[in-house]
Amino acid sequence: NAGVIQTPRHKVTGKGQEATLWCEPISGHSAVFWYRQTIVQGLEFLTYFRNQAPIDDSGMPKERFSAQMPNQSHSTLKIQSTQPQDSAVYLCASSLDPGGNYAEQFFGPGTRLTVL
Amino acid sequence: GDQVEQSPSALSLHEGTGSALRCNFTTTMRAVQWFQQNSRGSLINLFYLASGTKENGRLKSTFNSKESYSTLHIRDAQLEDSGTYFCAAEANYGNEKITFGAGTKLTIKP
Repeated sequence: NAGVIQTPRHKVTGKGQEATLWCEPISGHSAVFWYRQTIVQGLEFLTYFRNQAPIDDSGMPKERFSAQMPNQSHSTLKIQSTQPQDSAVYLCASSLDPGGNYAEQFFGPGTRLTVL
Repeated sequence: GDQVEQSPSALSLHEGTGSALRCNFTTTMRAVQWFQQNSRGSLINLFYLASGTKENGRLKSTFNSKESYSTLHIRDAQLEDSGTYFCAAEANYGNEKITFGAGTKLTIKP
């Protein structure tokens, strides 16, 4: 079991460019979560999917952030017109049975996004 | 919103000693997780608890949902225990996202 896979591990973009981050959950897990980590804000929730359906995107900045889960094996987080304040480590997690007895979340290594 | 208050923010221990980290919750939580974030930034799962106490080696964690707190005890600390420890909790109203504490930066000294 390879764990949660995130690509790329590092991404540098110029201000105003688009960034797409990829996540492959653990095989068989039904929920995928996105979080981001900054020094100032710590670890904060962005959005999540259960069985590929979007459930809660309350943590997503509304204007430029979007997330999709087109199939059970991957999810993407897209940031349009990136700004320096978007610089962070973006973490993806998956869980086998959210809300049930196997709701433990397992995290990928993260994508470090730097916006110049 | 849901709040997870973690303390202390930093802790320094000598090898072989021990201490406890604590998280208090301002709303009823269904479950809690504890993670260690290592020097590479990876979040390593330590415990997942819906209630009670679990122990793994030199680590022990307790979750008391009724009194809204969780603790992580470290005994016989080793150099490799250095890192930042986070608790994260899932609220008890059907949304499976977890809310993180601010973390405890643990430094183990020889």
